[in-house]
Amino acid sequence: AQSVTQPDIHITVSEGASLELRCNYSYGATPYLFWYVQSPGQGLQLLLKYFSGDTLVQGIKGFEAEFKRSQSSFNLRKPSVHWSDAAEYFCAVVVNTGFQKLVFGTGTRLLVSP
Amino acid sequence: SQTIHQWPATLVQPVGSPLSLECTVEGTSNPNLYWYRQAAGRGLQLLFYSVGIGQISSEVPQNLSASRPQDRQFILSSKKLLLSDSGFYLCAWVEGGYEQFFGPGTRLTVL
Repeated sequence: AQSVTQPDIHITVSEGASLELRCNYSYGATPYLFWYVQSPGQGLQLLLKYFSGDTLVQGIKGFEAEFKRSQSSFNLRKPSVHWSDAAEYFCAVVVNTGFQKLVFGTGTRLLVSP
Repeated sequence: SQTIHQWPATLVQPVGSPLSLECTVEGTSNPNLYWYRQAAGRGLQLLFYSVGIGQISSEVPQNLSASRPQDRQFILSSKKLLLSDSGFYLCAWVEGGYEQFFGPGTRLTVL
């Protein structure tokens, strides 16, 4: 079955340091992939998406992600983390293109230390 | 521009009471609509999705039901709430693409 794995439940990064959040997917065809961010008590906001083409995609808030088919990965990166980036991050893959159904990973909570 | 509303924002209900959560989308037509539940410390679980008025697909057998009485309205209901129904409920929509856009959510606490 299609699935998404986010192996890190929590990550703590110092403000100004670089960030990489891991995401691995299991899907037979070319995946459509997303990263979402959720601040406490709020809905999810789309950061970026990958459908095809350039494997390095740029998103909002200075985030980027790289699709690596050989590793079945779609890791999220940011060169310099700000305190406002503290939130929960979810990776997702489309598993039914007819109904646009998504499967989400369990999320990674990012803590930013001063 | 499109917006999505959910109400109420928070709800505290006793076990055995009924439930009705509402989701309304503005600025779009014939969207696909989705209900998710997010339990504490866990990811998102798809509960229901709808591709049109009166068309509901259930992903997980449970104590909940969904209805779509109008094109841009999606309702999540229960006749008798269980403790395990507590969580954060999110509505989302898609129109013409694959990315889903989420509402602000409803925090449900069942006591």
